[in-house]
Amino acid sequence: GAGVSQTPSNKVTEKGKYVELRCDPISGHTALYWYRQSLGQGPEFLIYFQGTGAADDSGLPNDRFFAVRPEGSVSTLKIQRTERGDSAVYLCASSFGLAGFNEQFFGPGTRLTVL
Amino acid sequence: AQSVTQLDSQVPVFEEAPVELRCNYSSSVSVYLFWYVQYPNQGLQLLLKYLSGSTLVKGINGFEAEFNKSQTSFHLRKPSVHISDTAEYFCAVIPSGSARQLTFGSGTQLTVLP
Repeated sequence: GAGVSQTPSNKVTEKGKYVELRCDPISGHTALYWYRQSLGQGPEFLIYFQGTGAADDSGLPNDRFFAVRPEGSVSTLKIQRTERGDSAVYLCASSFGLAGFNEQFFGPGTRLTVL
Repeated sequence: AQSVTQLDSQVPVFEEAPVELRCNYSSSVSVYLFWYVQYPNQGLQLLLKYLSGSTLVKGINGFEAEFNKSQTSFHLRKPSVHISDTAEYFCAVIPSGSARQLTFGSGTQLTVLP
């Protein structure tokens, strides 16, 4: 079946602009995770959804970052007033139930470049 | 909180040679341990995981890892590598009591030379 998909695959924007990154999880997966991977680093946790609600948003770096999952499936990560330091690959993952025993399946990522 | 240290950022090795990628972790609670592989322009793919039981875990593509609780290590090994194993490898942990986000190491770039 289809895996986790993310759109766009690449996004170039100017400093100060607003961007939206989309994640389509595997059908039936209740948990959805966003991570950010900076160059030369491992992925860092941003936010986790169980169903429609954000169960843990402790990884969001500041209030310019926001994510939604209104129908418990597709999720959108929104970044306001982008800064050059936001440039990174944004990864989405989903799992059937909580991660750990249940494998997290990752999408290919969206590469965000802020000029 | 948890942390993961991957001691080698780059590991070059010749084809058909053995390889070991090192991973150490720190945690005040018990954790599950994972190794992921990331090929260029692709998503992370799970290689293997340790949840409980036997400390020697076998994964896909001939990889295996051994959990050592006293040394807080989870090193990844393969007895004979192929060119196609060239990729970035990430070690990760998750608290066993609250299965939420993964904490990753900074990665090891494995380059297999002909």
